[in-house]
Amino acid sequence: KNEVEQSPQNLTAQEGEFITINCSYSVGISALHWLQQHPGGGIVSLFMLSSGKKKHGRLIATINIQEKHSSLHITASHPRDSAVYICAVRYNNDMRFGAGTRLTVKP
Amino acid sequence: KAGVTQTPRYLIKTRGQQVTLSCSPISGHRSVSWYQQTPGQGLQFLFEYFSETQRNKGNFPGRFSGRQFSNSRSEMNVSTLELGDSALYLCASSFGPGPEEAFFGQGTRLTVV
Repeated sequence: KNEVEQSPQNLTAQEGEFITINCSYSVGISALHWLQQHPGGGIVSLFMLSSGKKKHGRLIATINIQEKHSSLHITASHPRDSAVYICAVRYNNDMRFGAGTRLTVKP
Repeated sequence: KAGVTQTPRYLIKTRGQQVTLSCSPISGHRSVSWYQQTPGQGLQFLFEYFSETQRNKGNFPGRFSGRQFSNSRSEMNVSTLELGDSALYLCASSFGPGPEEAFFGQGTRLTVV
C-alpha cells in the first residue's frame, strides 16, 4: 500500500468551478508539499504545509495532522490550471509521493 | 534570480553505458535532492545532498550515485544503464535540508535504448 494516496486520479471541470483534490497519508510526517506539473515535465512547488491552512491567489491548501489528510482547493478554476497535481510528504528524511491527480479544466 | 538548471534536457543512451546528469541550484541554496519519475512508478526520491554530504538515499541500486560540489552544484551518475532507467530525472534545491520549500528544475529526460 502506498503511504500517500490521492483522489481523484482524474478530474475534469468546467471553467469557474471549485476544485478539491485530496491527499491521505499513513505515516508521521514533518511536512507535506503540493506540487504542480505541466506537460513537458516542469514541477512547481505550490505549498509546503506542516499545519493549518495556506492561501496563494486562487489556491488554498489545508492539512489535518491528526487525520493525516490534506486538501488542495482551486477557486474559480481556469483552463491554465490544467496540470497534474502531486501530493508529497516528507518523513524520516525521505520524500514519498502520491500518484498525482490529472486536472483538466474546460473553457 | 536564476532558477534551478538541469543539463542536459534530453539524453539518449545505450544499455550498458553510463550517464552523468548535472543540477545547478538557485544561488544561496545548499541542499539538492534528486528524483526519478516514470509512468509506472511515478515520482521516487533518489538522494539528498547538503553541504557536499549525502544526507539521505532512496531505495535504488548502487548503480545510482551522486555527489555535490563546494559550490552546491550536484551531479548524479547512473552506471550500466538498463532500459528501465528511462525516466525524467528531476532535481530540486532548497536553502537547507529537511522540510523546506523546494524549487524544481525542468528535468533531464533520459531514454535508454
